[in-house]
Amino acid sequence: AQSVTQLDSHVSVSEGTPVLLRCNYSSSYSPSLFWYVQHPNKGLQLLLKYTSAATLVKGINGFEAEFKKSETSFHLTKPSAHMSDAAEYFCVVSAQAGTALIFGKGTTLSVSS
Amino acid sequence: NAGVTQTPKFQVLKTGQSMTLQCAQDMNHNSMYWYRQDPGMGLRLIYYSASEGTTDKGEVPNGYNVSRLNKREFSLRLESAAPSQTSVYFCASGSYTGELFFGEGSRLTVL
Repeated sequence: AQSVTQLDSHVSVSEGTPVLLRCNYSSSYSPSLFWYVQHPNKGLQLLLKYTSAATLVKGINGFEAEFKKSETSFHLTKPSAHMSDAAEYFCVVSAQAGTALIFGKGTTLSVSS
Repeated sequence: NAGVTQTPKFQVLKTGQSMTLQCAQDMNHNSMYWYRQDPGMGLRLIYYSASEGTTDKGEVPNGYNVSRLNKREFSLRLESAAPSQTSVYFCASGSYTGELFFGEGSRLTVL
């Protein structure tokens, strides 16, 4: 069975400081892992994905995530937050293509000036 | 370049009424999904269709039915709406790599 846990429901940072959004997963198979972002009143957009290639994955808008199998983690980071990064972020796990993706409960990122 | 299109975007129903949410994708994807989003709950899978002609229950299927009309279209029906079904509903289609492409959502209120 698959599951995903986002360890923080809300993260607040100042503009220009680093961002860390934490995600742990559980999967019986080699998982595919994704981070999606949702801006207010919008649909979800893919930030980045891990599909068993390089363990450090680079995504859009300067975000990246590192797959650590030993820690079953897939944390999302960005070196310097921007006001436009304020949104809700979802960590997602999938065992294989065509099966249902399982979403974490989300982390709301607030960015202050 | 439409991607995933959902209709309607907003709907208000009375308890017991029925309605169908429509979803269409133009990316030739085999798999399609319906999720609901509630505050603090993330997205929960209602039903999915791995390919044309097949549908499977997700985490929260009770009170819903689906139809995979063809490869493009996947509809979600509420036969007798309840206030607990007040939510934002998202349709998505999935590429062969597992990436999901989402519609903009349908906000449903059941009074």
